[in-house]
Amino acid sequence: QVQLVESGGGVVQPGKSLRLSCAASGFTLSDYAMHWVRQPPGKGLEWVAVISYDGSNSYYSDSVRGRSTISRDNAKNTLYLQVSSLRPEDTAVYYCARPRQTLRWDLPDYWGQGSLVTVSS
Amino acid sequence: QSALTQPASVSGSPGQSITISCTGTSSDIGAYNYVSWYQQHPGKAPKLILYLVSDRPSGVSSRFSGSKSGKTASLTISGLQAEDEADYYCSSYTVSTTFVFGGGTKLTVL
Repeated sequence: QVQLVESGGGVVQPGKSLRLSCAASGFTLSDYAMHWVRQPPGKGLEWVAVISYDGSNSYYSDSVRGRSTISRDNAKNTLYLQVSSLRPEDTAVYYCARPRQTLRWDLPDYWGQGSLVTVSS
Repeated sequence: QSALTQPASVSGSPGQSITISCTGTSSDIGAYNYVSWYQQHPGKAPKLILYLVSDRPSGVSSRFSGSKSGKTASLTISGLQAEDEADYYCSSYTVSTTFVFGGGTKLTVL
């Protein structure tokens, strides 16, 4: 079955960087675009970034564009999100998510369990 | 990239029907049928309950239905059950090849 397992979260000081990983199994990662979505504690979902199935294209939300990079290693079945210049408002549970349809841009379907990032001094 | 607009909360009694609206713009909901709805229980990851406006994934109850008119999508839950109490989010693809979520609606089953 489809499994997505995020890791790399924790407490980070403001201004520092963090790289999250998402290990995928149960499907062929290279067939799907992949998303990162975050959720601040007690608040709603916020779409963060998406990367094409082959890594050639990526798009970001206004809130992270310019200080975040989404990437993937299909050979390792792993998705990444690097966020730099972290701010307290980046504190959130970060989810990786797989769309329903292969190859094309599509909304999230399967979700991981999330990884909590806390930005605090 | 403004969030889609949802009511903050709705409520209904068991057996009743409720509808949650999700209003966007001509650049997102109004442009495509790529609208999904998610259910999220406390402490859990979101679960897809509708995609392409009104299609249900396998295993999702037929009590969940969706529609769209112009820039507004709607989720209707019929025959409310206690287990339906959760947060609900809409989401849409946009003309900028980005995605956007609604602010979320808390459903209370009275």
